[in-house]
Amino acid sequence: DTAVSQTPKYLVTQMGNDKSIKCEQNLGHDTMYWYKQDSKKFLKIMFSYNNKELIINETVPNRFSPKSPDKAHLNLHINSLELGDSAVYFCASSQAWTGNYGYTFGSGTRLTVV
Amino acid sequence: GQQVMQIPQYQHVQEGEDFTTYCNSSTTLSNIQWYKQRPGGHPVFLIQLVKSGEVKKQKRLTFQFGEAKKNSSLHITATQTTDVGTYFCAGPNNNDMRFGAGTRLTVKP
Repeated sequence: DTAVSQTPKYLVTQMGNDKSIKCEQNLGHDTMYWYKQDSKKFLKIMFSYNNKELIINETVPNRFSPKSPDKAHLNLHINSLELGDSAVYFCASSQAWTGNYGYTFGSGTRLTVV
Repeated sequence: GQQVMQIPQYQHVQEGEDFTTYCNSSTTLSNIQWYKQRPGGHPVFLIQLVKSGEVKKQKRLTFQFGEAKKNSSLHITATQTTDVGTYFCAGPNNNDMRFGAGTRLTVKP
């Protein structure tokens, strides 16, 4: 039973399109995150939600809009995709948002914008 | 915000050799976490260190947290090909964990 599941695993799309990535966790964790990993493997926080409420919104273009319908789900919608958006996007969850708990990551969504 | 610096960026070793990656912060950390990401995979939580000077072992892996809680290291004894991957340290920054740039380990059989 997958703890943090993301769909789709791969996403190839043209510039200017709109796409969504879905994430679900069955761990009962309160906090969920979106991280972006670039080609150099650097992991950058994008958003954090605690119990459906936005906690962190880093300097991310407003083309990226997260939505958390409940604490088990955190989706990411991206408008007007650009070449620079190509990366691997990881969803993660943790028991709480205090930075004292390990993260469980999903398997990632590899987004390629052409 | 808080940043953790990690070195080296890359490390290539012969199977059986030891490996160490280092993590440094300019500020005192309440805790530090370590993750491993296999090629093509996702980061997997390995361990969390909380106490000053703490040392924890997981088989061939030894994790240390500095006395000042500003640095940490991960040491692998007698590397195996299964150790290949990128090792990340992460430190808390308000409400999330900030990751180091990672050390990519390759092992030659």
